[in-house]
Amino acid sequence: GAGVSQTPSNKVTEKGKYVELRCDPISGHTALYWYRQSLGQGPEFLIYFQGTGAADDSGLPNDRFFAVRPEGSVSTLKIQRTERGDSAVYLCASSLMAGGPNEQFFGPGTRLTVL
Amino acid sequence: AQSVTQLDSQVPVFEEAPVELRCNYSSSVSVYLFWYVQYPNQGLQLLLKYLSGSTLVKGINGFEAEFNKSQTSFHLRKPSVHISDTAEYFCAVSPIYNAGNMLTFGGGTRLMVKP
Repeated sequence: GAGVSQTPSNKVTEKGKYVELRCDPISGHTALYWYRQSLGQGPEFLIYFQGTGAADDSGLPNDRFFAVRPEGSVSTLKIQRTERGDSAVYLCASSLMAGGPNEQFFGPGTRLTVL
Repeated sequence: AQSVTQLDSQVPVFEEAPVELRCNYSSSVSVYLFWYVQYPNQGLQLLLKYLSGSTLVKGINGFEAEFNKSQTSFHLRKPSVHISDTAEYFCAVSPIYNAGNMLTFGGGTRLMVKP
């Protein structure tokens, strides 16, 4: 079956603009995760959903970042008033359910560049 | 909180030679341990994981890792590498009793296999 997909693959925006990044998880996966990978670093956790609700958003860097998953499937990561420091690859992952040793399956990422 | 240290940012090795990628972690609670591989322009792919039981774990593509609790290490090994193993490798942990299973990653090791 299809894996995790993310759109767009690349996004270039100007400082101060608003962006939305989309994630389509594997069908039937109830848990969805967002990570951010800055250049030369490992991914860092941002937020995860179990179903429609954000179960843990402790990794979001500030209130410019917000994510939703209204129907428990597709998720959108929203960044307001983008800054150059937001430039990174944003990774989405899904798993059958949260918790335990459930494997997270990663998408290819969205590369965000803020000019 | 957890932290993961990958001691080598780059590891050059000749084809058919053995390789070891080092990973040490710090955590106040018990954790699951993972190795992921990231090929250029692709998402993270799970290589192997340690959940419990035997400390020697075998994964895909001929890789294996050994969990050493006393040294808090989870080094990745392959007895004979191929050109196709050239990629970025990430070690990660997640707390066993955490409802969300969020991953904490190391900074990554770039394996460069030379002919």
